[in-house]
Formats: sequence, structure tokens, C-alpha cells
Amino acid sequence: DAGVTQSPTHLIKTRGQQVTLRCSPKSGHDTVSWYQQALGQGPQFIFQYYEEEERQRGNFPDRFSGHQFPNYSSELNVNALLLGDSALYLCATRTGTIVGYTFGSGTRLTVV
Amino acid sequence: KQEVTQIPAALSVPEGENLVLNCSFTDSAIYNLQWFRQDPGKGLTSLLLIQSSQREQTSGRLNASLDKSSGRSTLYIAASQPGDSATYLCAATSSNTGKLIFGQGTTLQVKP
Repeated sequence: DAGVTQSPTHLIKTRGQQVTLRCSPKSGHDTVSWYQQALGQGPQFIFQYYEEEERQRGNFPDRFSGHQFPNYSSELNVNALLLGDSALYLCATRTGTIVGYTFGSGTRLTVV
Repeated sequence: KQEVTQIPAALSVPEGENLVLNCSFTDSAIYNLQWFRQDPGKGLTSLLLIQSSQREQTSGRLNASLDKSSGRSTLYIAASQPGDSATYLCAATSSNTGKLIFGQGTTLQVKP
């Protein structure tokens, strides 16, 4: 049973560019959340998707947007990249019948 | 607003010691408390989840407790091993579908 799959694993982008990160949830999971983890910090909640709609949003600017597809997979888009966007981006999934989240291995984004 | 704090930030112990990691939260209206392990540059692995109606959970050498009235959770690791070296994160959820609020983590080093 595949767990949560994120792609790519590593990415280097230049300031001002746009990036798209992808997440495939664990089988049976329908809710996807995205987190940003800066070096040495705990993860910070970006937003959560359920039934293809953004349900909750953390304190992140509109440059951060997302999408959930009918197969429950999700994308995180970041526009106009800043150096401060360099971080590990984690995807966490769950289903309404199971308490607790399963995390992917993350995408390491470096903005230069 | 829920805030989660973990003390200490770093801990180094000799192999075989029993140890306790601490997690405190400000809002006692907690839905559940989850402990995670994170190896360097990797994603999060769920260790234990304690629901609000529970006092503790155990898995192998790990035991986690939850005291909502005092706003505290502890993770007890028995007979520590070098393979336990990692960062341990606790995260609180304040509602059934809510976001995870993370502490900054405790980085544990177990020396052979």
C-alpha cells in the first residue's frame, strides 16, 4: 500500500519564478493539507483541501495557491518566489473516518 | 490561538537511558495530540496519537501521555538506542478536521 507520494523530491528555482509541487494521497485518503517547514522549525500549516475546495488556510500570502483533483491528488503553486520561500514542503493526508495524518517525504525547495 | 512549545530544543544522552520529551500547549480545548519523528531532511513519521478522551498511548518502547488540564504532553522513550536519534515533534489539533499546530521539535542524539 503506497503511502503519501510527493514530487519532485528536490527543486532549485530563481527568485521571481513560479513552482508547482505535487502530492498523491495514501489510498483511501480524501483530505490533503500542505505545510511549510523552514530549517530548524516546526511545520507551518498552509492550507487544506477536501472535495476539491480549499477548506482552511493558514497565514500565508495569496502567492501560495493550491488545487485538488477528482482523484484526491493535490498541487501547491507558489508564484513570485522569494528567498524566504526556501523550505521543505510537506503534504499530509487523512480520511474523515481515521483520526491522524500521514505525511509524505516532502519536497525540498531552494530559491536562489 | 493555540501555541505549542517543546522543551528542550536539543538533548544528548548515552545509550540505554530512559528519557522524557516535553510538549506544552496553550489551549486546553484540544481534539488530539500527535507525536512525530523526523530524520534529517526527511518527512514526518507518526509515532503516537492521543485523542482528547484518552490519557496515554503506548507503542513498544514509546509511551505518550496527555494532561489537558495542565496543557502538557510527554513522550517517554525507554532504553534509548542510537537509532532513536532524530527530531521529535508534537502537534495539537483543536477540531476534528483542524490543522496541526506544531512545536519546534526536540532534537535527540543517543550516543553509543
